[in-house]
Amino acid sequence: DAKTTQPTSMDCAEGRAANLPCNHSTISGNEYVYWYRQIHSQGPQYIIHGLKNNETNEMASLIITEDRKSSTLILPHATLRDTAVYYCIVRALTGSARQLTFGSGTQLTVLP
Amino acid sequence: DSGVTQTPKHLITATGQRVTLRCSPRSGDLSVYWYQQSLDQGLQFLIQYYNGEERAKGNILERFSAQQFPDLHSELNLSSLELGDSALYFCASSPRSADLNNEQFFGPGTRLTVL
Repeated sequence: DAKTTQPTSMDCAEGRAANLPCNHSTISGNEYVYWYRQIHSQGPQYIIHGLKNNETNEMASLIITEDRKSSTLILPHATLRDTAVYYCIVRALTGSARQLTFGSGTQLTVLP
Repeated sequence: DSGVTQTPKHLITATGQRVTLRCSPRSGDLSVYWYQQSLDQGLQFLIQYYNGEERAKGNILERFSAQQFPDLHSELNLSSLELGDSALYFCASSPRSADLNNEQFFGPGTRLTVL
């Protein structure tokens, strides 16, 4: 699986959009970009995933650059409950295993 | 609530002991994954079972073992415990169709403290 690079930490004001970047310059053509988050010591929670098109669901939007070497997770109206560690994971859907490889993630702190 | 349950929530034991962590996947999910999260190593994949069969192994120590039973619940057995085994242990499950989006649903975890 390709390696990802994320900033260690970010702050965001409550009610504003939180934009979390992820670099995955070695991503292969069959690899997807996934985002999970972990609120303090709870189990990680799936947010969104995408291949090359932008994706949106009830939680967030995922913007993937045309060359697929980077992406941005957008939380449109951050709340205090969005304070968490956000993990960007690159994973192919082919292969025998389905485990997730977590990096260090970005600690997002939403400020009141 | 992800629908994945783990017991116990907390476990305190001594070095050299053996413990069993239990996981019940979401109804209908065939795959179970175990992850370990310690302060210095982050979230690491240990092992995966699919419909009772071992599917993949990660950084799992030989002192650790797991199994998935016919009712699809899984147990992670940790033996000859060391101080460094203190960690959060998460179980996750995914449905058969996980091949399509690899979404995993995580349980609340078991916090193991080895004294």
